Amino acid sequence: NAGVMQNPRHLVRRRGQEARLRCSPMKGHSHVYWYRQLPEEGLKFMVYLQKENIIDESGMPKERFSAEFPKEGPSILRIQQVVRGDSAAYFCASSRDREVYGYTFGSGTRLTVV
Amino acid sequence: AQTVTQSQPEMSVQEAETVTLSCTYDTSENNYYLFWYKQPPSRQMILVIRQEAYKQQNATENRFSVNFQKAAKSFSLKISDSQLGDTAMYFCAFMKPSYYGGSQGNLIFGKGTKLSVKP
Repeated sequence: NAGVMQNPRHLVRRRGQEARLRCSPMKGHSHVYWYRQLPEEGLKFMVYLQKENIIDESGMPKERFSAEFPKEGPSILRIQQVVRGDSAAYFCASSRDREVYGYTFGSGTRLTVV
Repeated sequence: AQTVTQSQPEMSVQEAETVTLSCTYDTSENNYYLFWYKQPPSRQMILVIRQEAYKQQNATENRFSVNFQKAAKSFSLKISDSQLGDTAMYFCAFMKPSYYGGSQGNLIFGKGTKLSVKP
């Protein structure tokens, strides 16, 4: 089992470009969570998705950010018109169900906006 | 709203010694889950230990144990026989269960404690 796979590991974008971050959950996991980690901070919840559905997007900025988890393929976190403040590490986690045992995290994508 | 506070930004310990990392949280919930995650320089988030609030017995995983004080809303992590590989950021996290069963899906993290184990 390859674990939660995130790519790319590092992503550099110029201000105004779009960033697309991918997350492939563990095999058999249908729940995906995205978190953002700013420098010197803990992880902050952004969005919780189940296949083809957004369950909770209470932590997602209202503009420029969107997430999807299609029936086939990885979950995608999309940031349009990136700004310097979007520079952070973005982590994806997955679980089999609404479990309470803690999630399996990927290694994150570090986004740098220049 | 729930909050998690880790009051020690950095700590260091000699190899083979014991160190305790502090965590306090604020919630009005009676049932919830608490976690310690380790983040080494590789950036991978690794689950270290987990505690259910309705269990009075403190969780233990090999060299890692917790001191869970529900009334004080305290959840400290003790690392015994520290090893160089324990050098990492350690994050305390809170999870509120869903009223419909299972988790609500949202982990709330503290800002972390940077632990350095010195040879």
